[in-house]
Amino acid sequence: DIQMTQSPSTLSAFVGDRVTITCRASQSISTSLAWYQQKPGKAPKFLIFKASSLESGVPSRFSGSGSGTEFTLTINSLQPDDFATYYCQQYNSYSWTFGQGTKVEIK
Amino acid sequence: EVQLLESGGGLVQPGGSLRLSCAASGVAFSTYAMSWVRQAPGKGLEWISAISVSGGRTYYADSVKGRFTISRDNSKNALYLQMNSLRAEDTAIYYCAKDVYDNAGFFDYWGQGTLVTVSS
Repeated sequence: DIQMTQSPSTLSAFVGDRVTITCRASQSISTSLAWYQQKPGKAPKFLIFKASSLESGVPSRFSGSGSGTEFTLTINSLQPDDFATYYCQQYNSYSWTFGQGTKVEIK
Repeated sequence: EVQLLESGGGLVQPGGSLRLSCAASGVAFSTYAMSWVRQAPGKGLEWISAISVSGGRTYYADSVKGRFTISRDNSKNALYLQMNSLRAEDTAIYYCAKDVYDNAGFFDYWGQGTLVTVSS
């Protein structure tokens, strides 16, 4: 199975900051990568697919990039609603796998 | 509005069985692949099983292969997960999730989840 590793595990930031989360795959997955946001007690919310394509309705301050084995999720001008845990997920080959998550906390 | 509603979770003893259901509404259910994803308490997301549009192809994570069976009834807009030989490490919230398109592998709609607790 392809292993997905996110860094950092926890990130502390101020409202208005630009934050970047990294996701690395154990082997090349081309651009078969999605990002999700999850808040406590809630189901994940779909943000980005194909590494950089924003899902409809997702604010443009979210962006994704990367290909192969290294990917990033960037949030420009962090808003109070953005404090949550973020997961990457590869869908290049079964079994689909998620990163362990990155918690974005208020500083 | 797309809605996915899981049910069937609860407390079960190790070695026991449970059947989860996911009722879909507001979506052409028979045109999308579906998956089950679980989340152990305080832990991350784990994809465990997927099923094709027709139900003819099924996929499983190694952690549940041979113990869990995914199925669907397109006439009822329903997805199922039969879980046998349950272990303590199967304790989790189980989400059903809809593929963005058939066999996309990523998910645009999720249910609210149903909690399965395996304990004696």
